[in-house]
Amino acid sequence: GIQVEQSPPDLILQEGANSTLRCNFSDSVNNLQWFHQNPWGQLINLFYIPSGTKQNGRLSATTVATERYSLLYISSSQTTDSGVYFCAYNYGGSQGNLIFGKGTKLSVKP
Amino acid sequence: DGGITQSPKYLFRKEGQNVTLSCEQNLNHDAMYWYRQDPGQGLRLIYYSQIVNDFQKGDIAEGYSVSREKKESFPLTVTSAQKNPTAFYLCASQGSIKLFFGSGTQLSVL
Repeated sequence: GIQVEQSPPDLILQEGANSTLRCNFSDSVNNLQWFHQNPWGQLINLFYIPSGTKQNGRLSATTVATERYSLLYISSSQTTDSGVYFCAYNYGGSQGNLIFGKGTKLSVKP
Repeated sequence: DGGITQSPKYLFRKEGQNVTLSCEQNLNHDAMYWYRQDPGQGLRLIYYSQIVNDFQKGDIAEGYSVSREKKESFPLTVTSAQKNPTAFYLCASQGSIKLFFGSGTQLSVL
């Protein structure tokens, strides 16, 4: 199957700093999603982004499908941004048939 | 409030015992999913259901069973055949594209 690699695995930031998280996949994928899991386990969908760029407040995401990567950009980080960020792609059939990367664990210090 | 409710939050299983995790949604979504998350890992798909009275195996269905008798409910049973059940279990339902997740159940073995 298609491999999904996320980098960096861990990231520590001071509040207010910017960061870029990366997701590489080993072959073409038909869509890509980014999720945030807070320290209590709640998972939230951030972006559905098969290609191009989307922005939502301080977060933005870019997927370059032809080069097999996606980036999640966090600006002016806040402590509430802490948690694990996952990228996942859909491997066909139902939209929830997702392959997840191992995640980037982000800690934002006050 | 609309959403997905998982219960219990913590569950302990004795050897040889079957246990059932509850997942209820009031979002009127047709598709529902069960994922397993191990420490430091992404989510893996156990089972999914796109309509009532129908469900499909995901990537790691062995040792698990599900039912979908009502649109709102998608319970997961962890059977005694699942030899390594300790994990965090997440239920999700699907809107038009996005997935909505419950808050999870942590299952541990006594």
